[in-house]
Amino acid sequence: DTGVSQNPRHKITKRGQNVTFRCDPISEHNRLYWYRQTLGQGPEFLTYFQNEAQLEKSRLLSDRFSAERPKGSFSTLEIQRTEQGDSAMYLCASSPYGVYNEQFFGPGTRLTVL
Amino acid sequence: QKEVEQDPGPLSVPEGAIVSLNCTYSNSAFQYFMWYRQYSRKGPELLMYTYSSGNKEDGRFTAQVDKSSKYISLFIRDSQPSDSATYLCAMRRNAGGTSYGKLTFGQGTILTVHP
Repeated sequence: DTGVSQNPRHKITKRGQNVTFRCDPISEHNRLYWYRQTLGQGPEFLTYFQNEAQLEKSRLLSDRFSAERPKGSFSTLEIQRTEQGDSAMYLCASSPYGVYNEQFFGPGTRLTVL
Repeated sequence: QKEVEQDPGPLSVPEGAIVSLNCTYSNSAFQYFMWYRQYSRKGPELLMYTYSSGNKEDGRFTAQVDKSSKYISLFIRDSQPSDSATYLCAMRRNAGGTSYGKLTFGQGTILTVHP
């Protein structure tokens, strides 16, 4: 399968714990995006990378959230000191150079904070 | 107030019906307008996009944009049970400034087409 992959698919954690998610974009896609989707809502933009550079970060991304994309390949999203309000589906998407409208989404990581 | 408003439905139609899905928006900087489809437990996938005002047709799907009214629509002709999904409108600014990689989504409309 050559689509966007995300791991883990599900994560259950206790409040206050740290969690890290991984996203592997489609090969040769130099743009990578993170979104968060809560039940009954559309995805909300979190951050965006072009190669290894983080070009934009939403105000939704508090200091507890950090994302990296070392070497411009896979990306990780870390949430420190998780809160119940962090429970959501975390979606990763990628697109090739010059393409912004068609973002190819992965299946998401569902986070539940108890 | 959200930048993009979309009626969440749910919408239930019989097979073969014409479906109309709509979004309104408040940010006049949006220039690209997209419709994504999301099946249960899957990520969204792009159906089609349009630039600025006008119509675009792709098979059974037609997208319309009216920038003067800040209103976009997606029409599905001859709807099929396989069209049952959540339909998300999305928008973004033109390139050249900040936020051009960011998509702003509507809430999504849940559509069920029954045989």
